[in-house]
Amino acid sequence: SAVISQKPSRDICQRGTSLTIQCQVDSQVTMMFWYRQQPGQSLTLIATANQGSEATYESGFVIDKFPISRPNLTFSTLTVSNMSPEDSSIYLCSVEGAGADPYEQYFGPGTRLTVT
Amino acid sequence: AQSVAQPEDQVNVAEGNPLTVKCTYSVSGNPYLFWYVQYPNRGLQFLLKYITGDNLVKGSYGFEAEFNKSQTSFHLKKPSALVSDSALYFCAVRDFSGNTPLVFGKGTRLSVIA
Repeated sequence: SAVISQKPSRDICQRGTSLTIQCQVDSQVTMMFWYRQQPGQSLTLIATANQGSEATYESGFVIDKFPISRPNLTFSTLTVSNMSPEDSSIYLCSVEGAGADPYEQYFGPGTRLTVT
Repeated sequence: AQSVAQPEDQVNVAEGNPLTVKCTYSVSGNPYLFWYVQYPNRGLQFLLKYITGDNLVKGSYGFEAEFNKSQTSFHLKKPSALVSDSALYFCAVRDFSGNTPLVFGKGTRLSVIA
């Protein structure tokens, strides 16, 4: 399995500002993913982050709003830009390829973002 | 495209009674199925998975799930519910034949009443 940490664990931000969320894994992993969980909702995939290439975004998510970095095999960041109250969600980092099962995904504890 | 349906928003069960949380899926290839649990203010915890082999899969905390290919279902079960099982449960699927990430159902909130 993998141990995943996220920073910050929670934040309250003003409308129009940006927040960068960090995800650190204790082992090298091939695939990293960013999910959003809006209040009372399920998890929605924002993008897949591969080291050495641009992130692949899902329908409805764009790089200008959610820029992602993946500088190495253990770290990734997600920025939520020009925030509005609709961006209030839990943002979760997930990794794949960290254990014996190459397709099993592990999740970080999440970052709870509130935009006022 | 792959998808997951969890038809129940909420399941209520008395402590000690058996519980079932329903899940059906749709994939174009072979399914790779998961159950995760989310406790308040905590991340997702892995419960169990099915990829191949025995249709009855046993997981953490006494949970099990049965893969039914003809009904495209993967219901989560536990013979005797505990109050501490109260949480939000997510079913998820990915297409085993493709390099696709997990797709989640909307979640089912389980409430076990003492």
